Amino acid sequence: ETGVTQTPRHLVMGMTNKKSLKCEQHLGHNAMYWYKQSAKKPLELMFVYSLEERVENNSVPSRFSPECPNSSHLFLHLHTLQPEDSALYLCASSPQAMGNTEAFFGQGTRLTVV
Amino acid sequence: QKEVEQNSGPLSVPEGAIASLNCTYSDRGSQSFFWYRQYSGKSPELIMSIYSNGDKEDGRFTAQLNKASQYVSLLIRDSQPSDSATYLCAVNEAGGFKTIFGAGTRLFVKA
Repeated sequence: ETGVTQTPRHLVMGMTNKKSLKCEQHLGHNAMYWYKQSAKKPLELMFVYSLEERVENNSVPSRFSPECPNSSHLFLHLHTLQPEDSALYLCASSPQAMGNTEAFFGQGTRLTVV
Repeated sequence: QKEVEQNSGPLSVPEGAIASLNCTYSDRGSQSFFWYRQYSGKSPELIMSIYSNGDKEDGRFTAQLNKASQYVSLLIRDSQPSDSATYLCAVNEAGGFKTIFGAGTRLFVKA
């Protein structure tokens, strides 16, 4: 199994739909992250979880709702999205949330909002 | 607003040459610095980390850090066409949970 697995890989949803992105890490890490990557823009940190506790919420609209039921799983629940939310959503994990810590990324979910 | 700045490129080098990628950052207290490689349509992959001033070498890659100048660089020796990708500089926020990424530099290695 790969270290960080995301599903689905591609998602097309209407603005009134509700969907969820899933991330699972098999590295024994304590921290998990959601990032958004839009074309020609830097990776934007959305949420940080450390040992299942949200420690960073980077001014993300409430139409994005994260959930971390345990240190291996992370979800991003989506509802009433806008077309500008179309992007690559990347999950990552690291041994810990602070300090000298390297992130390992999943393959990403390519989201298109129509 | 803490920032990480990179030249977006594209940087084009011939096969076998040295590619030099540069990055500056604004958070003077940052202690951890990373270079990621991202192929088109793929997720970022960590290639180097550096935590103290000076050079760190790993195979064909050398990371250089100068905290006084708030400057990080990545040198790729004997560049190969397979090195063609976008290289992301990342800096951990001092005392915080955030890793701040630059927008990336696109590198083309011509065969």
